Order: sequence, then structure tokens, then C-alpha cells
Amino acid sequence: NAGVTQTPKFQVLKTGQSMTLQCAQDMNHEYMSWYRQDPGMGLRLIHYSVGAGITDQGEVPNGYNVSRSTTEDFPLRLLSAAPSQTSVYFCASSTWSGFGANVLTFGAGSRLTVL
Amino acid sequence: GNSVTQMEGPVTLSEEAFLTINCTYTATGYPSLFWYVQYPGEGLQLLLKATKADDKGSNKGFEATYRKETTSFHLEKGSVQVSDSAVYFCALSDNSNYQLIWGAGTKLIIKP
Repeated sequence: NAGVTQTPKFQVLKTGQSMTLQCAQDMNHEYMSWYRQDPGMGLRLIHYSVGAGITDQGEVPNGYNVSRSTTEDFPLRLLSAAPSQTSVYFCASSTWSGFGANVLTFGAGSRLTVL
Repeated sequence: GNSVTQMEGPVTLSEEAFLTINCTYTATGYPSLFWYVQYPGEGLQLLLKATKADDKGSNKGFEATYRKETTSFHLEKGSVQVSDSAVYFCALSDNSNYQLIWGAGTKLIIKP
């Protein structure tokens, strides 16, 4: 059972370039999300999805795009990279079965540097 | 709105010391509470959780008790090891959706 798989682990971009961070889960979780983690700022939610074809914005959505065409995959697209998007990105998923059941399973992270 | 406040780090302890990392919350109703741990270079993983008042979550020697009267969920361990060095995040869910409200994280450094 692979859990949540993120690729790539590391990426260096130039300002203005675009790229896609991939996220796949094999647990049949309906909920998937993207966070960014910056020093001293904890985790901030970028976008999330509660099922195929459904996405919504989190706390810091600007400059990012997502889609959810299948239950398994939830790619994050950077449309025109900026140095402010230098960060570590985490994909996380969960299922729902009642109170306190929304336990997130995280991927290992993708470290992005924008020059 | 809902919020989580954690003690600022880093917290530096010697091996076998007693650990407390404070976490307090603001929420309406009866949230569920979580501690996640992030080891160096890895993603976060659930350490323990509690879903109602006076519940005690425990795992790997760590414990936290859901105290509604003090709106707290402090993380404790009786004797820490170097391998416990990590960043610890407190989080809450209001149980109405999938979203979690996160604390800022506390970095723990254990010296041999």
C-alpha cells in the first residue's frame, strides 16, 4: 500500500515557468488537499477536493490551479512561478466515517525553488 | 472562529527528560483534537487523537488529554529519546467537514 505519492521530490524553476506537482493516493479517499509549508508559518491550505470533479480554494490559492478528474489523482499546477512560491508542498488525503475520522495521510513532500 | 495556539519552539531537552508541549484551542461545540509529528525530511503523520472531553490519546509513549474546561490538549512524554526530535503540530476539527485548523508547530530537539 503506497499511501500518498508525490512527484517530483525536488524541483528548481525560473520565474515565469509553469509546472505541475503530481499527487496520487491508492486508499480510495474522497478528500484530497494541497498545503504549503514555509518556515515559521506552519501549514497553509492551498486547494482541496471532496471528490472527483469538485475542487475549492483554501487559504492561499492565488497562483495555483487544481483539477480532480479521478478519485486517485490531484495535481497542483503553478501557472507562472514566482519566487514567493518557493516552499515545500504537501499533498494529503482522508476519508470520512464520523467524528474525528478526518485523519490526514500526507505525502513525503515536494521541495520547490523558484529563482 | 476556530483557532489553535501552540507554544513556540524550539524546545531543547536532554535525553530521558520529561516533555510537555502546550496546545490550547478556541472552538465552538465539541471539536476533535489531534497531534501530528513531522520527522526531518518527511511528511506529517498522525501521532494521536481524542474525539471527546476527557479522552486520552496515546501512542509511542506520548499522551495528551482533551481538557474542555481549560480548552487544552497538551502533549506529554515521560522520557524523551533523540529519535523524538521532530516538529509537532496540534490541530482541531469541528467535525462538520474534512478541514483541520493547525497550530504553527513546535520544533523539538533532543540532545544525547
